[in-house]
Amino acid sequence: GAVVSQHPSWVICKSGTSVKIECRSLDFQATTMFWYRQFPKQSLMLMATSNEGSKATYEQGVEKDKFLINHASLTLSTLTVTSAHPEDSSFYICSASGLSYDYNEQFFGPGTRLTVL
Amino acid sequence: GQNIDQPTEMTATEGAIVQINCTYQTSGFNGLFWYQQHAGEAPTFLSYNVLDGLEEKGRFSSFLSRSKGYSYLLLKELQMKDSASYLCAVTDSNYQLIWGAGTKLIIKP
Repeated sequence: GAVVSQHPSWVICKSGTSVKIECRSLDFQATTMFWYRQFPKQSLMLMATSNEGSKATYEQGVEKDKFLINHASLTLSTLTVTSAHPEDSSFYICSASGLSYDYNEQFFGPGTRLTVL
Repeated sequence: GQNIDQPTEMTATEGAIVQINCTYQTSGFNGLFWYQQHAGEAPTFLSYNVLDGLEEKGRFSSFLSRSKGYSYLLLKELQMKDSASYLCAVTDSNYQLIWGAGTKLIIKP
């Protein structure tokens, strides 16, 4: 199956700093990438959907100026959490789908655990 | 609005069978997914149904009834490693994936 990687797998940062998370599709072209956030014992919450070369579509309640998403190529999307605060501490997961696969299945990265002190 | 319902938590015994139900109300339907998620890990794909009926894959089977807006995931010969959350997700008419809150499955020896 398709492989999606995320980097870093975990990060600890001070309040007020910015953190960049990378999501890469390793063996297929990801026309669409999704960014999710998951708090402990809760389900996945879609933050935004991005298509290569165009601006991301953010879900209601997600601040686009705080969570910057760039999908510059068919294999790479980045999420930057700007001026992070402790309430941004969460498990961030990306997924990707590509035209070469059936039924728009989403392939998930392993996730990035962000802790803001 | 769009809604997916599944039980919050279920408990079953090792070696037994368990059925996790999912009902959905979405604007359009383009398929239903089941994912497994172990604590602290990303979801992994289990099954996909777009036509009515049962799809069997090893110990796991998934059933769909589009007219009833209903699906279930059937797990047979339960093993301790099956303890996880099981997420039901539906693709709507805009091909947006709508997620259920997940069912936490606890397996006891």
